[in-house]
Amino acid sequence: DIQMTQSPSSLSASVGDRVTITCRTSQSISNYLNWYQQKPGKAPKLLISAASSLQGGVPSRFSGSGSGTDFTLTISSLQPEDFATYYCQQSYSTRAFGPGTKVDIK
Amino acid sequence: QVQLVQSGAEVKKPGASVKVSCKASGYTFTSYDMNWVRQATGQGLEWMGWMNPNSGDTGYAQRFQGRVTMTRDTSINTAYMELSSLTSDDTAVYYCARGEMGIGSSFDIWGQGTMVTVSS
Repeated sequence: DIQMTQSPSSLSASVGDRVTITCRTSQSISNYLNWYQQKPGKAPKLLISAASSLQGGVPSRFSGSGSGTDFTLTISSLQPEDFATYYCQQSYSTRAFGPGTKVDIK
Repeated sequence: QVQLVQSGAEVKKPGASVKVSCKASGYTFTSYDMNWVRQATGQGLEWMGWMNPNSGDTGYAQRFQGRVTMTRDTSINTAYMELSSLTSDDTAVYYCARGEMGIGSSFDIWGQGTMVTVSS
């Protein structure tokens, strides 16, 4: 099975900050990497598919990049509604999620 | 609109089974896979498996093999996930999530979640 890691596991940031979250896989998955946002008590929401394809309705401050084993989710200017937990997910083989990155208010 | 509506919360005793339903609307049920994902309180997301509603084909995460069964009723656009031999470790919110078929799929529509509590 493909192992997934995310870093950091949590971070504290202020509104307006640039935030970068990294996801690494144990083997190459091409660009088969998706990013989700989850707020407490809610179902996850798909933000980015295929490493960099922004879903409709998702603000352009979110962006994704990477291929192979190293991927990045960037929030260019953190907004109050962005405080949440973010998960990466590989869709190359048996589906799996990363452990998550919690973004909270500094 | 496209949505997945799940059945209500369940309380089960250890050793019992639970069956959660997920009713799809607003799209062609048989054109997308249905996935199941669970989340224990304060923990991350755990993918359990997928089902092709058209063929009935399934694929389960190794840790649930032999304990989980995913089925569907295409006449009512509903998918089901049954988990047996429950223990307290199975206490979690269970989600269904729509995914495109094949490699590279993402989960674009999610149900609201069903809380399953396992307690004696």
